[in-house]
Order: sequence, then C-alpha cells, then structure tokens
Amino acid sequence: EAEVAQSPRYKITEKSQAVAFWCDPISGHATLYWYRQILGQGPELLVQFQDESVVDDSQLPKDRFSAERLKGVDSTLKIQPAELGDSAMYLCASSHLVYGANVLTFGAGSRLTVL
Amino acid sequence: GQQLNQSPQSMFIQEGEDVSMNCTSSSIFNTWLWYKQDPGEGPVLLIALYKAGELTSNGRLTAQFGITRKDSFLNISASIPSDVGIYFCAGQDGSEKLVFGKGTKLTVNP
Repeated sequence: EAEVAQSPRYKITEKSQAVAFWCDPISGHATLYWYRQILGQGPELLVQFQDESVVDDSQLPKDRFSAERLKGVDSTLKIQPAELGDSAMYLCASSHLVYGANVLTFGAGSRLTVL
Repeated sequence: GQQLNQSPQSMFIQEGEDVSMNCTSSSIFNTWLWYKQDPGEGPVLLIALYKAGELTSNGRLTAQFGITRKDSFLNISASIPSDVGIYFCAGQDGSEKLVFGKGTKLTVNP
C-alpha cells in the first residue's frame, strides 16, 4: 500500500536552533500539505502545494517557517529559529481526487520537542 | 473561520458496546472525512462521505453525511480493544480546504 514518507520521526532541539522536516508524498499525488497538530487538538493546515506552487500558506508563520517543493515531488518544511511553542506533531499529507473531493493520506508525522 | 464541533470529547466504554460520535458545523460542507489516530502516528482515513444523506459502512464502522450538509456522525458497533484512539472528523467546502474537529478520544475497557 502506498504511503507518505516523513523524516525524522522525532526531533529534539533547543530554542533558537534551526530544524527541518522532509516529506515524500504518494507517487502521482500532485497536492501536498503540511499540517501542525498540537497535543489534544486536531491538525491545522500550515501550507498546501499544487505541484511546486504554493496554493495556501495563509496560516504559515512566515517570519520563522518556510516550505518548499522545488521539483513538485518531495517537500521540506523548515523552522528557524525554533521557539518553545513550536513543539508539536508536524504532519505531511498528499491527496487524490475522488468525486471532486481531495482525499488526504497522512504520513506518520514528525514529533518536534523544543527545549 | 470555519469550526467543527466534535462530541463527545472523550468516551470510556466496555468492550462489545456500540459507540456513536458526531460533528456539527455552522458551515455547509461538500465532503466529510473520518480519521482515526493512534498515539504518535498520523491520522488514518476510515470513511469518506461525498453526498448529503449518504450512509457508508467500513466493517464495524458506519458514517452518515447529514441532510443539512452541516453534520456527520460515526458509529462503531461491537467495540474491541484495538478501537482505542482519537477519532477526527474533517469537513471540506467548495474551496477544498479541509477543517478538522478537535477529536473524540475513545477508551475501550476489556
């Protein structure tokens, strides 16, 4: 079964350090998403890509977060500098269309702890 | 912005019992998705609903897309210990943006 690959699974860093997460979507999925999930909450969209173009980054804190998908396949989410409040699960998802709806498949996530 | 109200927030049940949880919204959605998330893992899709009034089953799970397009429910019959986890509803509107509820945490006592 096709999967969304994410790495690293766990990352512990100190505040003010830089951190990066990588995602490889399901082959053929043009749409890729990065979500942030704080413990006890539902996932919240940070950025959405269609191929290599950003479709929605309205909730991405652009002063410290950046995301790219240069060749329209895999993607990197970067945080610099990390702050204590960035501790969360970072989820990548890709989607395919079913009856005109985007059905998302999520990766296992990257758990970030900022000390 | 759009918000989904998911209830109950948590449930403690005995193995073999049936479970029901629901999501409501002030906005109309075109698609409802139900996901299950195990601790430390990403959400896994359980059921997708594409049409108002649609009733869909996946094994012991049944979900319905409300007629008003503002709600959806998920039922689990004859619960087993591996049903433990957090269940999320997610609604998608015409903009294709997916909004998640805050989850229902299910605990099943053997």
